[in-house]
Amino acid sequence: DAGVIQSPRHEVTEMGQEVTLRCKPISGHDYLFWYRQTMMRGLELLIYFNNNVPIDDSGMPEDRFSAKMPNASFSTLKIQPSEPRDSAVYFCASSFHLGGQGSYEQYFGPGTRLTVT
Amino acid sequence: SQQGEEDPQALSIQEGENATMNCSYKTSINNLQWYRQNSGRGLVHLILIRSNEREKHSGRLRVTLDTSKKSSSLLITASRAADTASYFCATDNTGANSKLTFGKGITLSVRP
Repeated sequence: DAGVIQSPRHEVTEMGQEVTLRCKPISGHDYLFWYRQTMMRGLELLIYFNNNVPIDDSGMPEDRFSAKMPNASFSTLKIQPSEPRDSAVYFCASSFHLGGQGSYEQYFGPGTRLTVT
Repeated sequence: SQQGEEDPQALSIQEGENATMNCSYKTSINNLQWYRQNSGRGLVHLILIRSNEREKHSGRLRVTLDTSKKSSSLLITASRAADTASYFCATDNTGANSKLTFGKGITLSVRP
């Protein structure tokens, strides 16, 4: 398996523009997580899905952020409009859980480095 | 909010020495995991220890868990320059519905 795939790897955009980040999880994994990493705040969980259904979006900073998972092999994280403070590395991760056994290891993608000027 | 807090924040050692990193947490957990992140890369899972386990080994890695003290340690023996990375502990908190909470990480530098 190619692992978790994210695109683009780098994105530079101007304030006010819409940004769409994409993720393809590992085939067969039933959980998908979106994280944001900055020096100041570390690694923050934004939202996660189980079987394509959003379970917890309490980490989404504000209404400018939205995420979808239309099928088991694709998810998007959208920021509209983008602001300079959104500059960060955004990671997607996926995992496979056996029911009732707690979290299993998460497999991370390479990340998308977003710069908003 | 951060659950795991790693200690120290940064560690510099000579190749061949052992590196010990600590993690403390606040609430009850199902399991605790350690991850490594090389510069510019995503996190890579190293080892998972369940709440009913006290020690686990994987190659040169040894993890301990003390639930009474709410702490864990990661020991890397005979360190190599390639071990230079950031290391994170992550807790699967009881009732957290399968999500992990990561600490801010420890930066390990191994000098050749």
